Amino acid sequence: RKEVEQDPGPFNVPEGATVAFNCTYSNSASQSFFWYRQDCRKEPKLLMSVYSSGNEDGRFTAQLNRASQYISLLIRDSKLSDSATYLCVVSDSNSGYALNFGKGTSLLVTP
Amino acid sequence: DGGITQSPKYLFRKEGQNVTLSCEQNLNHDAMYWYRQDPGQGLRLIYYSQIVNDFQKGDIAEGYSVSREKKESFPLTVTSAQKNPTAFYLCASSILAGISGELFFGEGSRLTVL
Repeated sequence: RKEVEQDPGPFNVPEGATVAFNCTYSNSASQSFFWYRQDCRKEPKLLMSVYSSGNEDGRFTAQLNRASQYISLLIRDSKLSDSATYLCVVSDSNSGYALNFGKGTSLLVTP
Repeated sequence: DGGITQSPKYLFRKEGQNVTLSCEQNLNHDAMYWYRQDPGQGLRLIYYSQIVNDFQKGDIAEGYSVSREKKESFPLTVTSAQKNPTAFYLCASSILAGISGELFFGEGSRLTVL
């Protein structure tokens, strides 16, 4: 089952660019939404939670559209260190509230 | 420092052998999870546990077994019945069972079957 869908990329952008990632989810009962970041061969780490009202953390902005079951992440003024895979994550009440992970979108920021 | 410790980091196994991956957390979290990640794939849930002495199958539990005898520990056994065991295994915990919150991950265990 494809509960969380993301464009796998890769997205290759120059430093300073703005880049947006999108994600759709299939379970309308999902309650919690997150973006995680995963560096190559490392464990995922929480980047930010996503709230209905939208939220911003420095250069990162996350938006949630419950009606369309759509989540987005905007990265402004990209840095080389932003190069990673970004995972869209949605809660699953059917599995003890374990999180369902998308396959990730790969970002490469170039000089 | 609080966190999740997985061991071993790298493991090689011959076909037909069982292997157990260790996961220990000192965060006092109720819920613990095991995920598997294959190249180019998302994380897939193997097993989860919301409370000591209780655990549930995730999406891909076949060929795996777990135990949760202590709150801090949630070991995963990869049995010989698992057809494609070579993967990156990630253990995670969250503060309260039944509430989706941030997952804290260990550094992972890479299992290679020779």
